[in-house]
Amino acid sequence: AQSVTQLDSHVSVSEGTPVLLRCNYSSSYSPSLFWYVQHPNKGLQLLLKYTSAATLVKGINGFEAEFKKSETSFHLTKPSAHMSDAAEYFCVVSGASGTYKYIFGTGTRLKVLA
Amino acid sequence: SQTIHQWPATLVQPVGSPLSLECTVEGTSNPNLYWYRQAAGRGLQLLFYSVGIGQISSEVPQNLSASRPQDRQFILSSKKLLLSDSGFYLCASPGQGSYGYTFGSGTRLTVV
Repeated sequence: AQSVTQLDSHVSVSEGTPVLLRCNYSSSYSPSLFWYVQHPNKGLQLLLKYTSAATLVKGINGFEAEFKKSETSFHLTKPSAHMSDAAEYFCVVSGASGTYKYIFGTGTRLKVLA
Repeated sequence: SQTIHQWPATLVQPVGSPLSLECTVEGTSNPNLYWYRQAAGRGLQLLFYSVGIGQISSEVPQNLSASRPQDRQFILSSKKLLLSDSGFYLCASPGQGSYGYTFGSGTRLTVV
């Protein structure tokens, strides 16, 4: 079975400082992993995805994530936070092959301070 | 490209009333379709998925049901809403050529 744990429910950073949103996963086979962002009262937008290619994945808006199998982690990072990054971020692991079911983490709300 | 339409965008319904949320998909045929619910302060929970017309799998026991009457139509229903049915409901489908989902814009349901 697959599961995903987002280690922080809230993260606050100052504008211009690095962002780290942590995610650990559990999977009985090679997983596909994703990060989604949800701005207030908006739908979900795909930031980046890992599907067994390069372990360092670059996404939109300067975000990137590194797949570390030994640590079962897929942390999301950004070198310099921008005010527009304030949103809720979801780490997602794919379910059983063929069904494309997603297992969502509980989310991390990112606050960016001026 | 694939597009998912959901309506209505917001809905306020009294306890005990029926519910029907509709999701339609454009730009693809025979897609897998999913209903997720996001309760306040929580992540998304998969409610139902469908791999084809008339094929529905329920992920969690609940007061809701789903139907797939047409290839590109996925409906979420309830005969009698409960307060706990409040939340943000999203319809989704795997994007073509990738594992990323396409999401609808969602329906925010408030049961009062």
